[in-house]
Amino acid sequence: EADIYQTPRYLVIGTGKKITLECSQTMGHDKMYWYQQDPGMELHLIHYSYGVNSTEKGDLSSESTVSRIRTEHFPLTLESARPSHTSQYLCASSDIVEGEKLFFGSGTQLSVL
Amino acid sequence: ILNVEQSPQSLHVQEGDSTNFTCSFPSSNFYALHWYRWETAKSPEALFVMTLNGDEKKKGRISATLNTKEGYSYLYIKGSQPEDSATYLCAFPGGGNKLTFGTGTQLKVEL
Repeated sequence: EADIYQTPRYLVIGTGKKITLECSQTMGHDKMYWYQQDPGMELHLIHYSYGVNSTEKGDLSSESTVSRIRTEHFPLTLESARPSHTSQYLCASSDIVEGEKLFFGSGTQLSVL
Repeated sequence: ILNVEQSPQSLHVQEGDSTNFTCSFPSSNFYALHWYRWETAKSPEALFVMTLNGDEKKKGRISATLNTKEGYSYLYIKGSQPEDSATYLCAFPGGGNKLTFGTGTQLKVEL
């Protein structure tokens, strides 16, 4: 069973609000990722991290930012939410010992009104 | 941006039927090919990570094959059950295990 947790599960918020989506894993994995999925579309990588103090943008441009101050924690922040940010956000982690397969959190469904 | 394609987009089968789906990926600079199962209201779950041409992996009634030279992988489900209903995703890593996912095959198994 994967030990990676995301909160909140659902979030409905007004335009202009600052939000932080939480992601934590207890497996000690070095690599962590944020994926975004719009309905009917592919999962797109928006951020990744190879370890503490390492963050990079993914293939899909995103106005969100991330931080990796601790190995287990990889939060995603939107400074000013807009309706175009409405989407599902999935956090994942991986480790070379596990063949780099991704372990996913349960996701956050974000709706910006 | 890598091009990962899956077909069919959706599939309805009867309980007990066997079925298969296809994942196509770039055949150059191959590193690995991932398969995930994503059930409704759950997290995507890894099924297989395949790395060797000709490799075949099996997990219960689900198996997968890999052809890295022609750039495709097949996922097979033998004797489909309603609990197999899910979206099946394949993913191809670019540099640094940054996975590019296909749009998935949505499988519905009916009684």
